[in-house]
Amino acid sequence: NAGVTQTPKFQVLKTGQSMTLQCAQDMNHEYMSWYRQDPGMGLRLIHYSVGAGITDQGEVPNGYNVSRSTTEDFPLRLLSAAPSQTSVYFCASRLSGQRLTDTQYFGPGTRLTVL
Amino acid sequence: AQTVTQSQPEMSVQEAETVTLSCTYDTSENNYYLFWYKQPPSRQMILVIRQEAYKQQNATENRFSVNFQKAAKSFSLKISDSQLGDTAMYFCAFRADLGGQNFVFGPGTRLSVLP
Repeated sequence: NAGVTQTPKFQVLKTGQSMTLQCAQDMNHEYMSWYRQDPGMGLRLIHYSVGAGITDQGEVPNGYNVSRSTTEDFPLRLLSAAPSQTSVYFCASRLSGQRLTDTQYFGPGTRLTVL
Repeated sequence: AQTVTQSQPEMSVQEAETVTLSCTYDTSENNYYLFWYKQPPSRQMILVIRQEAYKQQNATENRFSVNFQKAAKSFSLKISDSQLGDTAMYFCAFRADLGGQNFVFGPGTRLSVLP
């Protein structure tokens, strides 16, 4: 049981480049989400999904796109990278978006640097 | 909107001593959960302890316990018999029954356990 996996672990981009951060979970979780972590600001929600085919914006969605074509995968796309997107990105999942009792599991994170 | 505040950016404690990390939050919700997550240098987010708002009894997990004061909207974490492996960033987080049930994280407290 791999839990929540993220690739790559590290990435350096130039301004204007695009890329996709991959996230997958093998726990059949309905709910998946993406956070970014910046110094002094904790984790902030970018986008989330309550099930395949359903996505919604979080607190800081600008500059990012997501899709949820399968239950397992929830990729995060940067269409035109900017230095302000330099951050550590975490993917997380939990069984349901509705039950407060469900534990949220985090992936290991991706450190992204935009030059 | 919910907010979570951690007023101590950094703290240190001697090994085997006890330390308390502070967290306050603001919400108009009545049904919610509060969490403490630990993030060691490996970057992994690890759930330390959680508290259900409707339970008056404070949660405990081995050396970790909380002091939950609902009226004061306070949720502090006490670590007893501190160990070197407790050195990490600690994040307080909130999740309500409504509003998509998404997590709101505080900015974190960096704890150093000194030998």
